[in-house]
Amino acid sequence: NAGVTQTPKFRILKIGQSMTLQCTQDMNHNYMYWYRQDPGMGLKLIYYSVGAGITDKGEVPNGYNVSRSTTEDFPLRLELAAPSQTSVYFCASSHTRGLGGELFFGEGSRLTVL
Amino acid sequence: AQKVTQAQTEISVVEKEDVTLDCVYETRDTTYYLFWYKQPPSGELVFLIRRNSFDEQNEISGRYSWNFQKSTSSFNFTITASQVVDSAVYFCALGFNPGGGADGLTFGKGTHLIIQP
Repeated sequence: NAGVTQTPKFRILKIGQSMTLQCTQDMNHNYMYWYRQDPGMGLKLIYYSVGAGITDKGEVPNGYNVSRSTTEDFPLRLELAAPSQTSVYFCASSHTRGLGGELFFGEGSRLTVL
Repeated sequence: AQKVTQAQTEISVVEKEDVTLDCVYETRDTTYYLFWYKQPPSGELVFLIRRNSFDEQNEISGRYSWNFQKSTSSFNFTITASQVVDSAVYFCALGFNPGGGADGLTFGKGTHLIIQP
């Protein structure tokens, strides 16, 4: 019963470094999402995917990239980390699109860029 | 544009009191979904309820109840006889229209609920 698994849970980066946040789900969901949560704010959608090989931008995609080579995995890439990317990142999946489907969330990845 | 407003940033009540969390939404869509999620101190997001725009029946689940009123674009959440374990940040969210180019949910900023023993 793993659900949605994110790694790492915590990471500190220096400005300009790159890293990948991993996300995998074992529920055979087609739809996957990356959100970021800033202090005192709700979640904002970064990227989403409706199936393997298909991705699209959300509300705040700048500075990020994603890929979806398999149904299970949806990694989020930060190429040149900036302090503005300090946030908690949540991966989520659903069996239908966000409009009607329940989203299952990972436990979050706390990223600090110094 | 989609928008969700949770005007209450933080609410603090004493255990066993009833508490209502407000949620007001804006959308031009006639078909939409509303959600409530709970984020306990451990950080994960827990799904509580989904409601579609055609179903205005109120719902009760144990100590939790939800009041959906399209006339006022509100989807309020009430906890009866609150308990310390209810302490968390609660998010209201609105489902995007997929045809609009983005997908997923629009979240409110959350209400931090503190239940004091």
